[in-house]
Amino acid sequence: SQQGEEDPQALSIQEGENATMNCSYKTSINNLQWYRQNSGRGLVHLILIRSNEREKHSGRLRVTLDTSKKSSSLLITASRAADTASYFCATDSMRASYDKVIFGPGTSLSVIP
Amino acid sequence: DARVTQTPRHKVTEMGQEVTMRCQPILGHNTVFWYRQTMMQGLELLAYFRNRAPLDDSGMPKDRFSAEMPDATLATLKIQPSEPRDSAVYFCASGLNRNRESDTGELFFGEGSRLTVL
Repeated sequence: SQQGEEDPQALSIQEGENATMNCSYKTSINNLQWYRQNSGRGLVHLILIRSNEREKHSGRLRVTLDTSKKSSSLLITASRAADTASYFCATDSMRASYDKVIFGPGTSLSVIP
Repeated sequence: DARVTQTPRHKVTEMGQEVTMRCQPILGHNTVFWYRQTMMQGLELLAYFRNRAPLDDSGMPKDRFSAEMPDATLATLKIQPSEPRDSAVYFCASGLNRNRESDTGELFFGEGSRLTVL
């Protein structure tokens, strides 16, 4: 399966701390994306990193990609209570004949004020 | 503000009834994905369209589920007959694929249709 697997499944931190979530996948990819989902809402795109990139930043977000280990990490710095949500990685496989985007099971992040 | 619109937001129905969920993708997007989200299975890909053509519906139970795009502004997901195990949140997402390669960009999700089958 190409599906990404996030780790940890759940994470609870204090406001102001950094949060790190990891994603592992099984097949070669074109790109990897991270999404956020607030309770009862749709997913919102956070950041996309291509297979030839190693690191990308967007505001308080930092994403790394290690294609040799087939893994990615999402770092949220200086977390806020509003960052409480589920975070998903999504991959599309180079082997697929089309851009089949598969999501991992997600990490539930709780930021305690 | 461009967004993906899904209807209905909530649907409660009885087993055996037909359910149709609708999605209006963002104007100009050429890819549409249908996902189902449950606590046990997470986000499952049900169907995928590019330029209105179905490229993959292998994630759907073929005997009861069908997905179509009658035009570029409407995607539908139909369940007939519905069963309690179909209870889930169904998401539609659209995106823009600029080439023929498997290289998708950002997906824009609707707010989902929460289905409860009694």
